[in-house]
Amino acid sequence: QQPVQSPQAVILREGEDAVINCSSSKALYSVHWYRQKHGEAPVFLMILLKGGEQKGHEKISASFNEKKQQSSLYLTASQLSYSGTYFCGGRPLTQGGSEKLVFGKGTKLTVNP
Amino acid sequence: NAGVTQTPKFQVLKTGQSMTLQCAQDMNHEYMSWYRQDPGMGLRLIHYSVGAGITDQGEVPNGYNVSRSTTEDFPLRLLSAAPSQTSVYFCASIRNAGTGYTEAFFGQGTRLTVV
Repeated sequence: QQPVQSPQAVILREGEDAVINCSSSKALYSVHWYRQKHGEAPVFLMILLKGGEQKGHEKISASFNEKKQQSSLYLTASQLSYSGTYFCGGRPLTQGGSEKLVFGKGTKLTVNP
Repeated sequence: NAGVTQTPKFQVLKTGQSMTLQCAQDMNHEYMSWYRQDPGMGLRLIHYSVGAGITDQGEVPNGYNVSRSTTEDFPLRLLSAAPSQTSVYFCASIRNAGTGYTEAFFGQGTRLTVV
């Protein structure tokens, strides 16, 4: 079952902040975040591990609430280059590794000048 | 270092035809996966592999076959193409750095149209 992302779309002006949420009905070992620009492949941003560790992109942060199985991606002082579709991917706790990443439907972020 | 290479980039098939989408990686990753991307549906897992000779089904495996004879290659076969298989297909190669840290590298995708 796919994680649920919200909002589906958001439009910002350069310099504004945004939060993208991801919620899973299944227990997760980790949450991945990817960004996809139009016509391109998804690109890894960061991973949130069970237990609170975080690795990834230096200008974008994220959190993972294991009790609620929710993750949030925080984009602060947005730049034009942040535009794209953001996907969260959940690695199930009980079934194998990240070869089984299950992705949400995506959040389209548009940053205008 | 090419990363993940998918071929072809574009393909048009007639209903009932079969074809193979190629995926090759040069990063020596054990884990590889195939996804399809449809408008509004995100990325859905078709099949995955944890190493040469080992494959399993994902969320939407019907109508597709895979095999993994080498670490480098993970082809996806459409057995009898249907219009519902019109989609963009992405192959991913997953780096496992240990301690739970993993990162997926995606190919550039194959845009398939079935008429």
